[in-house]
Amino acid sequence: RKEVEQDPGPFNVPEGATVAFNCTYSNSASQSFFWYRQDCRKEPKLLMSVYSSGNEDGRFTAQLNRASQYISLLIRDSKLSDSATYLCVGDYGGYNKLIFGAGTRLAVHP
Amino acid sequence: GAGVSQTPSNKVTEKGKYVELRCDPISGHTALYWYRQSLGQGPEFLIYFQGTGAADDSGLPNDRFFAVRPEGSVSTLKIQRTERGDSAVYLCASSLGHQNTEAFFGQGTRLTVV
Repeated sequence: RKEVEQDPGPFNVPEGATVAFNCTYSNSASQSFFWYRQDCRKEPKLLMSVYSSGNEDGRFTAQLNRASQYISLLIRDSKLSDSATYLCVGDYGGYNKLIFGAGTRLAVHP
Repeated sequence: GAGVSQTPSNKVTEKGKYVELRCDPISGHTALYWYRQSLGQGPEFLIYFQGTGAADDSGLPNDRFFAVRPEGSVSTLKIQRTERGDSAVYLCASSLGHQNTEAFFGQGTRLTVV
């Protein structure tokens, strides 16, 4: 079983839709969690950190449930520019020893 | 300012050959990481440097892989006797090195072993 698991998608949604991604992790030793965004043939970039108390940044909301070992990302009012792969990530050492999920692909269409 | 720079951007090599991949981190970043990303997968941790020393090399798949960072800045990932299974995008990242600081990735080197 992979340490971080995500639904690979793709999620095909119209502009303006709300879309939710889920992720589960198996190693409870992870100290921190993140969502990264990766555009086609580009490097991963940090989208946001994930906290148990929830984290909201504009149209994006991330949530961590340590008891269930479950992470979520909600995107509201989807834009064409949100089309990308979203990677669920755990930091297992506190020094950016990042364990990535395989990613969930999102395609937003007009 | 300049981000993480990796060269070459693409490398095609024959099975059995030796390759070197270079990473130039963001100036002032003491921590440097190598990851490998295969098609359809997320990046996979290979090695972490704090300064000149490899603080965690637990992700290196076997002894054909080696990385150095002799002066605490530029790093080179070296792969001996390349195999077709080594084909992937090799990503380098750097950070300030303090706990919970963001890691910034380079655009990667796409290695193809034929």
